[in-house]
Amino acid sequence: DTAVSQTPKYLVTQMGNDKSIKCEQNLGHDTMYWYKQDSKKFLKIMFSYNNKELIINETVPNRFSPKSPDKAHLNLHINSLELGDSAVYFCASSHLAGGPSDTQYFGPGTRLTVL
Amino acid sequence: GENVEQHPSTLSVQEGDSAVIKCTYSDSASNYFPWYKQELGKGPQLIIDIRSNVGEKKDQRIAVTLNKTAKHFSLHITETQPEDSAVYFCAASWDNYGQNFVFGPGTRLSVLP
Repeated sequence: DTAVSQTPKYLVTQMGNDKSIKCEQNLGHDTMYWYKQDSKKFLKIMFSYNNKELIINETVPNRFSPKSPDKAHLNLHINSLELGDSAVYFCASSHLAGGPSDTQYFGPGTRLTVL
Repeated sequence: GENVEQHPSTLSVQEGDSAVIKCTYSDSASNYFPWYKQELGKGPQLIIDIRSNVGEKKDQRIAVTLNKTAKHFSLHITETQPEDSAVYFCAASWDNYGQNFVFGPGTRLSVLP
């Protein structure tokens, strides 16, 4: 019954590898997001996406790419992983794309460790 | 763009006391102000939110106040309990696309038994 789910919960990989994190929401929301939380707990948005538009935070390297096979999923692909990519990545979703700001619901997070 | 500051960064209170966390924002266009609680190993969970047309909102032991003129909002937790211990984030937003959904740096609250 989890509203926003992510897999895997933990991901340990070597520098230079390509990896993906999956996200699914069963809330019927229109918009999904990816956030990065660094070691100091600072949460920063990476992408927001609905069925009309992908908005990319300009600070995100193009090694990161979101892929949405359908409205309920937004997966995060990361190419050529670097040490600085180590962080906890959170998926989130919200309703009312095209309307006023609304609550974002977060997944449990994926802790990525790049060795 | 929006900038959200949050104070204090850490807060320790005795069980039963009140806790207050304050945030300021820079963009006067922001109209939505949620508060999230993040427990260890979990994602942020919404605990209360307030919109710009309201000055105060309360939900049991939790309340939020908003001063649009001064561009600050605060979280008040009364009768704190050990399970209130967590990291709390404020955020400010004005659009639905989330790019202006900006979080504060967080406050680590510890409730001492």
